[in-house]
Amino acid sequence: LAKTTQPISMDSYEGQEVNITCSHNNIATNDYITWYQQFPSQGPRFIIQGYKTKVTNEVASLFIPADRKSSTLSLPRVSLSDTAVYYCLVGDMTNGGSQGNLIFGKGTKLSVKP
Amino acid sequence: DAGVTQSPTHLIKTRGQQVTLRCSPKSGHDTVSWYQQALGQGPQFIFQYYEEEERQRGNFPDRFSGHQFPNYSSELNVNALLLGDSALYLCASSLAFGFTDGYTFGSGTRLTVV
Repeated sequence: LAKTTQPISMDSYEGQEVNITCSHNNIATNDYITWYQQFPSQGPRFIIQGYKTKVTNEVASLFIPADRKSSTLSLPRVSLSDTAVYYCLVGDMTNGGSQGNLIFGKGTKLSVKP
Repeated sequence: DAGVTQSPTHLIKTRGQQVTLRCSPKSGHDTVSWYQQALGQGPQFIFQYYEEEERQRGNFPDRFSGHQFPNYSSELNVNALLLGDSALYLCASSLAFGFTDGYTFGSGTRLTVV
């Protein structure tokens, strides 16, 4: 399974764009990249998923270069409520039953200040 | 449309006791996975159930066991509780086939072993 590396923490201010980069040098051909958000005492919440290039939804954008060895989660104009831990995961999503062995690291603790 | 429901929300047990945690998956999901999250750490995969069978298992001892019922709900049982079993236990549901939006996590059960 591909291992991911991401910063332990990041600070930002309200209204700024935040980019969190994740390194996954050993990503496999069938692996997708998925980001989750977790607030204290809650379960992680799916944010976005991608395989290559760029993916955008109403919450975030995910940028994946051609070699797929890294990815960047972009949060536009963050607010105080975006303060949370963000996890980058890599795994084979072609069979949903394989999702059980996705590995969560410690994630990136994002602190948004007023 | 209800998401993942876990019960109880909090639980205090004595070392050596046994505990049962319950999970109802999101409507339409057929696969349930359980995770343990210690304070300050990412969730750690315990096991996954599909079609009432344990399909995958993480690095957890046999004291951790589970069950999935015909209605897809699931239980996590932990025997001979240790102080180190104190954690947030998360249930996540998904589809076995046809990836949609990844896992849907519940808010967890906070287990304290004293």
